[in-house]
Amino acid sequence: DAGITQSPRHKVTETGTPVTLRCHQTENHRYMYWYRQDPGHGLRLIHYSYGVKDTDKGEVSDGYSVSRSKTEDFLLTLESATSSQTSVYFCAISEGHLNTIYFGEGSWLTVV
Amino acid sequence: AQTVTQSQPEMSVQEAETVTLSCTYDTSESDYYLFWYKQPPSRQMILVIRQEAYKQQNATENRFSVNFQKAAKSFSLKISDSQLGDAAMYFCAYRSNTGNQFYFGTGTSLTVIP
Repeated sequence: DAGITQSPRHKVTETGTPVTLRCHQTENHRYMYWYRQDPGHGLRLIHYSYGVKDTDKGEVSDGYSVSRSKTEDFLLTLESATSSQTSVYFCAISEGHLNTIYFGEGSWLTVV
Repeated sequence: AQTVTQSQPEMSVQEAETVTLSCTYDTSESDYYLFWYKQPPSRQMILVIRQEAYKQQNATENRFSVNFQKAAKSFSLKISDSQLGDAAMYFCAYRSNTGNQFYFGTGTSLTVIP
């Protein structure tokens, strides 16, 4: 158990509304990630963070923004949700000395 | 970005038999890490096995083992004595030694037939 909590776990929202997903970790890991999982695409990196206020884009960052004001929290925001952003979103952390990535339980987002 | 390819979208195996899942990757680096993750219907991502590229010995975890062919950039997962609980989506992943991004394949859905 890597101590990762995602909220909300399930959300239905309307097109055009803003949505924020929260990832909370309890073990002060430096690296945090947001991935989305879609059929036929596997897991694709949206954004990642390598420290407080230090973030960078992944391969599918358009339409998403992130913030990390505290070590333990990494927020993913959809500024104006679209149906193409219907997906399962996974937060993850990286264990530096083990060079391994561990995942939260996922957040199911449906944009109608 | 690194490319990780899993060419088998679906595989099936009889219970108690052995199955091998394929993974290839594209990199110009000499030092990196490779992983297999299991995702059961619950969608929880579970680390199955991990391989450091500098180690020639193939990693093994109980019934799970890998065949790591560095020159061929191949990293296959062998599951021996398959059990019903092995049914899941399996993802291959790559991490550079110089960065902290992890790249995933598109997954292989494994069905275990009783």
